[in-house]
Amino acid sequence: NAGVMQNPRHLVRRRGQEARLRCSPVKGHSHVYWYRQLPEEGLKFMVYLQKENIIDESGMPKERFSAEFPKEGPSILRIQQVVRGDSAAYFCASSPFGGLGSPLHFGNGTRLTVT
Amino acid sequence: EDKVVQSPLSLVVHEGDTVTLNCSYEVTNFRSLLWYKQEKKAPTFLFMLTSSGIEKKSGRLSSILDKKELFSILNITATQTGDSAVYLCAVPQGGSEKLVFGKGTKLTVNP
Repeated sequence: NAGVMQNPRHLVRRRGQEARLRCSPVKGHSHVYWYRQLPEEGLKFMVYLQKENIIDESGMPKERFSAEFPKEGPSILRIQQVVRGDSAAYFCASSPFGGLGSPLHFGNGTRLTVT
Repeated sequence: EDKVVQSPLSLVVHEGDTVTLNCSYEVTNFRSLLWYKQEKKAPTFLFMLTSSGIEKKSGRLSSILDKKELFSILNITATQTGDSAVYLCAVPQGGSEKLVFGKGTKLTVNP
């Protein structure tokens, strides 16, 4: 059984470019969570999605950031017009159910570097 | 605001030592507390604790929760260099799907 798959593993973008981060959840999981980890910091919640719906995006900056989890295909975290402060590791996790009644299992993350 | 505080922030020990990592929390409507180990990549799940006083054990690692005093400890006995990692503690935020993480304890085990 494949776990949560994220790609790319590393992404380098120049200031002002767009970054697209992809997350394929565990097969059969319909709940996806995105977290961001800045250097020397713990993980910070960004957004929680179910298939075709954004349930909670309260941790995501209102400008330049968007997320989707379409009926078919991976979840996408999109950052437009990246700035140096967006440099971080972005982790995705999936779950078969909501409610956090079972532990989240994370993908290996995408490390975004903005130059 | 819900929060998780871990201590110490970093710890250096020698192989064979026993370590205790601490996690205190403040959260409304407590549901669970989770421990993760993070090396260079994904945080990997260690334990999920929901009940006070019941020790969870996996090999040399064990953890216990005190819901009255609002803290948990993670013990590692007979440490090995492969235990070197950042250990993260997290709790679900009351009434939401968010996990609130501490900043982690960076453990370094020297040979």
